[in-house]
Amino acid sequence: GAGVSQTPSNKVTEKGKYVELRCDPISGHTALYWYRQSLGQGPEFLIYFQGTGAADDSGLPNDRFFAVRPEGSVSTLKIQRTERGDSAVYLCASSFGQRDTQYFGPGTRLTVL
Amino acid sequence: GQQVMQIPQYQHVQEGEDFTTYCNSSTTLSNIQWYKQRPGGHPVFLIQLVKSGEVKKQKRLTFQFGEAKKNSSLHITATQTTDVGTYFCAGPGGGQNFVFGPGTRLSVLP
Repeated sequence: GAGVSQTPSNKVTEKGKYVELRCDPISGHTALYWYRQSLGQGPEFLIYFQGTGAADDSGLPNDRFFAVRPEGSVSTLKIQRTERGDSAVYLCASSFGQRDTQYFGPGTRLTVL
Repeated sequence: GQQVMQIPQYQHVQEGEDFTTYCNSSTTLSNIQWYKQRPGGHPVFLIQLVKSGEVKKQKRLTFQFGEAKKNSSLHITATQTTDVGTYFCAGPGGGQNFVFGPGTRLSVLP
């Protein structure tokens, strides 16, 4: 595709529910990052994939958060037992390789009621 | 862990005035990137600096990487209303992650 796409654009869920957020990176980009951005803050690193493997998941807040990238392209961020504090915009970015220019998607705005 | 700070947090300027934002890292960076995020939008890559003391220009924007590779600055000459947004610096953290600063939000009054 022409750019990074993310679905859904908005997700409203209730506390305790499970959600999946999808990221479709630019074709050919092997590196994929997930970030979380709260209002008025900079993007906060969550996890980095190089190909299919999670090369660095040090930013995941706790074990309720999990991400996969089974075929080295599309990635899914999964959040179990959502809490109100999980409300934020979840951004995905892809790049040709590690440390290269990151191209961000439009984000998914998650609201946990 | 590594921290990246930016000052000022907010800046309001009159159109035509200059603007500068400063970025400071707690550790030496192999490179630093700058991004711009328009209100309601997502971060968009502006530039990457790699060398100590490097200066790069993009039209009215001038980017500088400090000699010690721990600080950087972005200067905009003669701001325009199209410059409105939040400017973030970012650099490699420990491991293979990436650390963004908190950003400087620029408002330009016409």
